[in-house]
This record gives sequence, C-alpha cells and structure tokens, in this order.
Amino acid sequence: AQSVAQPEDQVNVAEGNPLTVKCTYSVSGNPYLFWYVQYPNRGLQFLLKYITGDNLVKGSYGFEAEFNKSQTSFHLKKPSALVSDSALYFCVRDGGGKLIFGQGTELSVKP
Amino acid sequence: DTAVSQTPKYLVTQMGNDKSIKCEQNLGHDTMYWYKQDSKKFLKIMFSYNNKELIINETVPNRFSPKSPDKAHLNLHINSLELGDSAVYFCASSRQTANEKLFFGSGTQLSVL
Repeated sequence: AQSVAQPEDQVNVAEGNPLTVKCTYSVSGNPYLFWYVQYPNRGLQFLLKYITGDNLVKGSYGFEAEFNKSQTSFHLKKPSALVSDSALYFCVRDGGGKLIFGQGTELSVKP
Repeated sequence: DTAVSQTPKYLVTQMGNDKSIKCEQNLGHDTMYWYKQDSKKFLKIMFSYNNKELIINETVPNRFSPKSPDKAHLNLHINSLELGDSAVYFCASSRQTANEKLFFGSGTQLSVL
C-alpha cells in the first residue's frame, strides 16, 4: 500500500536559518506528492505539488521541495525561516484515488 | 468570502447523542471530502463525493452518514456518538480529483463527554 513517512516529529530552527522537513514515500508507480501546512487552530493549506518534470518544485510562501527518485524522498525546504513559518507540515501522496497523509512534522522557528 | 466553510466550529455533546456538521464550498468544485484528525494530528479520509455521488467510503462506522444535497454542500451526520468520535473533522473540496489542490475548511472540534 502507498504510504509516506515523516521521520521527525519536530524540527527546531532559528529564524533566518535554512529549514528542511523530511519526507520519504513508498515506491509505487509515479507518485503525485504534495506538502500541506496547518497553522494552529486552522485548516490545512496547500503549499506545493509534484507530478512529473522538474525535480525542484516551487510553492507558496518561499517553500520548495526536491523530488529524489533514487532516495524516494520529497523534502521540503526554505532558504531562510521565519517565525511565522511555525506550523504543522504534512507530506502527502496519492493512493487509490485519495490522499494519504504522513504523520506530520511540527516546525518551530525561534527568533 | 470563505471558500470552504463548516459549522459549527466547536461541538460539545454527550455520549449517545446525534449531531450534524455542515459544510459548504463556493468555489464551484465538483468534489468534496470529509477528513478526521485525531488527537495525534493524524489525518485520514472518511468520505469523498463527486457531484453528489459517493466516491470514497473508508472503513467508517455506519453511525457516520454523509449527505450531499448539491455539489456545493456536504454534511456529516453522526448517530449515537461515542467517546472515540472526539476529534477534529475537516471538510475539503477540489475541482475534480484528489490529485488537484484541496481547499480545507477550518475544522469542527467535536468533544464527546
């Protein structure tokens, strides 16, 4: 069955430093991969998606993600973190006509 | 204008009661969803409707019954509420398939006492 794994429950970063939130996906066909973000007490918001083509996908709020087929990874990155980036981040893949969510990574950016 | 709106935002009720959560989207999307987020923040799809037709019905107890009167609305009715139903329920919509961008409502926090 298709799945995604986010190996870190929490990532702590200082404001201004680069951030990476890790994700690996199960190998099954050509996956559609997504990142969604959930700010406190709010619904999820779409950040970006990978279907095919360029391995580097640019998304909202300065985020980007790199698709790496050999490592089956789709890590989320941002060159310079903001305190306002603090939120819960979900890596997501398609599977059987529905979205399959990773367990989420809590990103905390300190001033 | 809120794209996907769900009401109520908070719902506190006793075990055994029946309750409904309403969802409306004004995006003109054909597909709507209900997701459940548990206390560990894990998200799982419950139902998906495309143009009022049930497309996905995950292994959800029969006590949960979605209803889509038109493609802009997808309501969730829950009978005989149990403690384990306590969670945050999110409504979402997309133009057609789940491989497109999903727009989520702000969630309904259900607490069963």
